[in-house]
Amino acid sequence: SYDLTQPPSVSVSPGQTARITCSGDELPDHYAYWYQQRPGQAPVLVIYKDSQRPSGIPERFSGSSSGTTVTLTISGVQAEDEADYYCQLADYSTATYLLFGGGTKLTVL
Amino acid sequence: QMQLVQSGPEVKKPGTSVKVSCKASGFTFINSAVQWARQARGQGLEWVGWIAVGTGVTNYAQKFQERVTFTRDVSTSTAYMELGSLRSEDTAIYYCAGTLEWELPSSFDFWGQGTLVTVSS
Repeated sequence: SYDLTQPPSVSVSPGQTARITCSGDELPDHYAYWYQQRPGQAPVLVIYKDSQRPSGIPERFSGSSSGTTVTLTISGVQAEDEADYYCQLADYSTATYLLFGGGTKLTVL
Repeated sequence: QMQLVQSGPEVKKPGTSVKVSCKASGFTFINSAVQWARQARGQGLEWVGWIAVGTGVTNYAQKFQERVTFTRDVSTSTAYMELGSLRSEDTAIYYCAGTLEWELPSSFDFWGQGTLVTVSS
């Protein structure tokens, strides 16, 4: 097994850009997915296949990938973006394995 | 819109089993897969496994392989997760999530509201 490592917390002021990273040795070989979870709510998919945005997700959410790190970027952060964010990958190469990162708490100051 | 509605909270004793339901609407259930994940209080998300609705093929995380069973009823568009030999560490919110990528489900595209399962003597 392996891990996806996220920073426990990120803080930004409204209107600034938040960048949340997710690192793992297997990331170059697999797509990453990102989920937003507001307090007391179920998660919501905000980025799929590294950089694709589902319909209904604001354009300020974007994703990128470079080597063993994927990054969720939120431009022009709003108060409503305060939430926990999780990265996730799926590995079907040798055995089925779906894995979440530990999560990052985004605080909007 | 695509929606999943889960059954209500459960309180179970250690050693017993629990069955959680997940009713789908707004999409073609038979052309989907249902993922299951759980989240203990204050903790992160943990994958439990998935079922491809059309074929009935299941895939369980190794940690749960001996204790969990996924089933589905296409006539009622409902998926089920049964977890047995419950212990206190199984206390968590259990989520179902749907994806139309049913052959090799890789993501959790839309989620149910979650079901709190409490294991306590």
